[in-house]
Amino acid sequence: GQNIDQPTEMTATEGAIVQINCTYQTSGFNGLFWYQQHAGEAPTFLSYNVLDGLEEKGRFSSFLSRSKGYSYLLLKELQMKDSASYLCAVRPSTGGGNKLTFGTGTQLKVEL
Amino acid sequence: NAGVMQNPRHLVRRRGQEARLRCSPMKGHSHVYWYRQLPEEGLKFMVYLQKENIIDESGMPKERFSAEFPKEGPSILRIQQVVRGDSAAYFCASSPPGDSLMGYTFGSGTRLTVV
Repeated sequence: GQNIDQPTEMTATEGAIVQINCTYQTSGFNGLFWYQQHAGEAPTFLSYNVLDGLEEKGRFSSFLSRSKGYSYLLLKELQMKDSASYLCAVRPSTGGGNKLTFGTGTQLKVEL
Repeated sequence: NAGVMQNPRHLVRRRGQEARLRCSPMKGHSHVYWYRQLPEEGLKFMVYLQKENIIDESGMPKERFSAEFPKEGPSILRIQQVVRGDSAAYFCASSPPGDSLMGYTFGSGTRLTVV
């Protein structure tokens, strides 16, 4: 089966750093994705990890440990516009197209 | 280069009516995926299609729901005899063949309200 866990909600202060964790248990693994979704809008791609380690992209970084079934998304220099839901998704296997299994998302609230 | 186009953006149906949701993938994308998102919940996979083929429909309810992706035209998600529990946001996503490093590109979704 597929199981992806994320915290439901987080609150952080503008200008600070926040780390959103994701743990997964899937029948296979062929990549982990993070998406951002503002209320009422479509999810948009943030990052992709398939090998262990840290991927950095501007204010956003994502880390993966395949042996631990663990990833985190790190957001630096938080801005009010970063208030959104952050979705962790796993692509379970090769040959299955790009079918992704999503966690329920972490609602991040950035405060002044 | 237009993104994934979904229409309508909002759809209101009475119980028992049919709902038809349309999705045109990005140019060059031959794979289409439909997801449903209930309030406060994550995206739930419904069906994965390629042109004229259903590849994986493991997330589709067995009754009232169907999907197609014809050779010409958009992909259609069809819900017959809608019930209140069908009220949700339905997102379509597309990807090129092979393992994409960006996963999907999502459409803006269709918000279905059953009254």
